[in-house]
Parts: sequence; C-alpha cells; structure tokens
Amino acid sequence: AQSVSQHNHHVILSEAASLELGCNYSYGGTVNLFWYVQYPGQHLQLLLKYFSGDPLVKGIKGFEAEFIKSKFSFNLRKPSVQWSDTAEYFCAVNADNYGQNFVFGPGTRLSVLP
Amino acid sequence: KAGVTQTPRYLIKTRGQQVTLSCSPISGHRSVSWYQQTPGQGLQFLFEYFSETQRNKGNFPGRFSGRQFSNSRSEMNVSTLELGDSALYLCASSLGLAGSGTDTQYFGPGTRLTVL
Repeated sequence: AQSVSQHNHHVILSEAASLELGCNYSYGGTVNLFWYVQYPGQHLQLLLKYFSGDPLVKGIKGFEAEFIKSKFSFNLRKPSVQWSDTAEYFCAVNADNYGQNFVFGPGTRLSVLP
Repeated sequence: KAGVTQTPRYLIKTRGQQVTLSCSPISGHRSVSWYQQTPGQGLQFLFEYFSETQRNKGNFPGRFSGRQFSNSRSEMNVSTLELGDSALYLCASSLGLAGSGTDTQYFGPGTRLTVL
C-alpha cells in the first residue's frame, strides 16, 4: 500500500525566511504528486501538481516543488515566506492507475511570524 | 464557476444515530470523492463515485456508505454513529476519475460532524 510521510509536524519561520517542506512516499510505480494547502478556516486548495515532464514544478503563490524519483521525494519550497503563508500543507500521492485512490501525508503546519 | 458545495456545514448527532451528508460537485465534474479528516488520522480516503458507480473504496467499515445521482451530486451516509466518527468530512470533485492521475480534485469546505 502507498504511504506518504512529511518530515515536519510544525515549522515556525520568520517572514522572508526560505521554506522547504519534505515529502516522501513509498510506491515503486508511476505516481502523480500533489501539494495542497489549507489556510485557517478555509478548504483545501491545490498548490501544485506533478504528473510527468520537468521534475521541477511551479505552483501558485511562488511555491515550487521538485520530484526526485530516486529519493521518492517531492519537497515543497518557497524562497521567501510571508505571514499569509501560515497554513497546513499536505503532500498527496496517487498512483497512475485507475482505481488507485489518493493517499495524503499527515500534514505540516507552517507558522510564519511577522 | 461555483465550487464544490457541501451541506450541512455543521452537524451534531448522538451515538447510534445515522447521518446523511450531501455534496454538489463543480458543474461538469463527474467524479466525487469523500474523505474523513481528523487530528489523529489526518485525511483518509473513504470512497469515490463516478457516473453513479462506486469506483474505489478506502478502509472504512460498512457503516460508511454513499451514492451518486445522475446529476453527479453525491450523498454519504454513516449509520450507527460512534464517538470516533466525529470528524470533518470532505468532498472533492474532478472531471474524470480522480484515480486516473491526470485530473485534479477540487475540495469543498467540509461538513463538521460531532457525535455526542
């Protein structure tokens, strides 16, 4: 069965600091990878996704993620965080086969201090 | 375009009762997936419906069931409620099968179920 781990439960940064959130998955086949964000009081929104092609994908709000197949990783990055980035971030994996459901990581709570 | 809507937004029930939650997908979307979100277990997949058929099911007991109507709206039912069923239930819609890998799921705001 697929599983997804996220390295940090809670990350605290000051504004303008750089961000990297780790995500690793366990599945040997072709996967599709996602990062979702849940801002306080709001519903889950897609930040970015990787299906194929360039392993460096850019998403909304200045976020990017790099797929490293050999490391089974899909880490999320942002060069300079803002207070408004305070949210919970979820990595998700979906195997590229019909009938495979989405598996979400446990989430990383990001707190950005003004 | 309107997003995914879920009703009701909040619900309080007592143990042993049953509950029905509703989800209206984005117009044109044919797939609806349901998730349970709790602080301890995180986001867990319940099931996915596509063209009125359950296409995939997560590891939940049979007390959790669902259905999808011809207009793609979906309902989820939980019978014989237990305290542990207290959670945020999220619905997500996509154009095609969520498991196809080339589609994107859009989430609704969720229904907060509290079981007393």
